[in-house]
Amino acid sequence: EDKVVQSPLSLVVHEGDTVTLNCSYEVTNFRSLLWYKQEKKAPTFLFMLTSSGIEKKSGRLSSILDKKELSSILNITATQTGDSAIYLCAMDSNYQLIWGAGTKLIIKP
Amino acid sequence: NAGVTQTPKFQVLKTGQSMTLQCAQDMNHEYMSWYRQDPGMGLRLIHYSVGAGITDQGEVPNGYNVSRSTTEDFPLRLLSAAPSQTSVYFCASSFGGLGTEAFFGQGTRLTVV
Repeated sequence: EDKVVQSPLSLVVHEGDTVTLNCSYEVTNFRSLLWYKQEKKAPTFLFMLTSSGIEKKSGRLSSILDKKELSSILNITATQTGDSAIYLCAMDSNYQLIWGAGTKLIIKP
Repeated sequence: NAGVTQTPKFQVLKTGQSMTLQCAQDMNHEYMSWYRQDPGMGLRLIHYSVGAGITDQGEVPNGYNVSRSTTEDFPLRLLSAAPSQTSVYFCASSFGGLGTEAFFGQGTRLTVV
């Protein structure tokens, strides 16, 4: 059965710290892995990683896909209070998204 | 830029009542989906559509119906509400397929009492 597991479930850090969020997956037919940020309402897209694009970066956020280890990490450097959110990982298996439960990140000023 | 619009934002139903959650997108996306989000769990796919006139079941379809008569609209119907359907519901649309970047509506918080 396809599944996505995220860790940790929650994380509290201070502003300026660097955080690493983890996503591991089991899949029968991997196509891509996506990261989303969910603040109070709708998830918003961050990155999509595929076999041909295993590292993405946007400002202070970056993500790497490790196909050998069946996992991905999301790094946030120099965290700000606005980074507080739930970070969701999803995997495209057979043209449907399988979602992890998310990591709740709290940034303290 | 409207994007994906969901209505209503909040709804309380009594057990056994029926209702329709509305979803409309103005990006001309072929792919649309409905998810539910429960505490401690990831988003779960209820139904999806790959184009007007084409719908299919996702992971948790029981108790829900959908239709797709136009590219823009993808309503979700609860046939006979049950407390287990208390959840936050999200509609999403995407251009390149269900497994690509999706744009989400603002969600509907549904409580069934």
